[in-house]
Amino acid sequence: AQSVTQLDSHVSVSEGTPVLLRCNYSSSYSPSLFWYVQHPNKGLQLLLKYTSAATLVKGINGFEAEFKKSETSFHLTKPSAHMSDAAEYFCVVSDRVKAGTALIFGKGTTLSVSS
Amino acid sequence: DAGITQSPRHKVTETGTPVTLRCHQTENHRYMYWYRQDPGHGLRLIHYSYGVKDTDKGEVSDGYSVSRSKTEDFLLTLESATSSQTSVYFCAISESNRGTNYGYTFGSGTRLTVV
Repeated sequence: AQSVTQLDSHVSVSEGTPVLLRCNYSSSYSPSLFWYVQHPNKGLQLLLKYTSAATLVKGINGFEAEFKKSETSFHLTKPSAHMSDAAEYFCVVSDRVKAGTALIFGKGTTLSVSS
Repeated sequence: DAGITQSPRHKVTETGTPVTLRCHQTENHRYMYWYRQDPGHGLRLIHYSYGVKDTDKGEVSDGYSVSRSKTEDFLLTLESATSSQTSVYFCAISESNRGTNYGYTFGSGTRLTVV
């Protein structure tokens, strides 16, 4: 089965500084990987997804992630944090299940942004 | 999100009572999923469906059952609710699990409290 490990449960940055949220995956085949964001008391929003096309994936709100097979990583970055980026972020892998696939979530990283 | 609704949005129930959560979609998507979200655990798959009357268990299926008698509805039942089932429940839909362009849409969630 596929799995993801988010290496930090909590990350704190100052507004205007870079953001790095780390994710490693475990997969026996070429995976599809996603990053989702959840703002407080809100639903889940897709930031970006990798599905075996370009290894550098650009998402919404200035976020991007790079798929590195040799390192089994899919880290999420943003050049300059904004206060509105404060949220919980989930690294997700698509796993094969009976007759299809299902999303397997990491445990989440809470991003705090200070002014 | 448009095309997928969960009901109820909030529910408080007593230990030992049966509870049914409903997920309704208007997208005619084949795949439907139930997840639960708990702090420190991310989202974990409970059950999923790959067609009418076709369902299978996920990672945390104990204590839950599901039914899908119509394409548009996927019901999650807690036969006898326990306090450990206090959680936020998310439904998701997916049109196709193959290729590079499939995606998942999540509902807004149901907050269930078992007292």
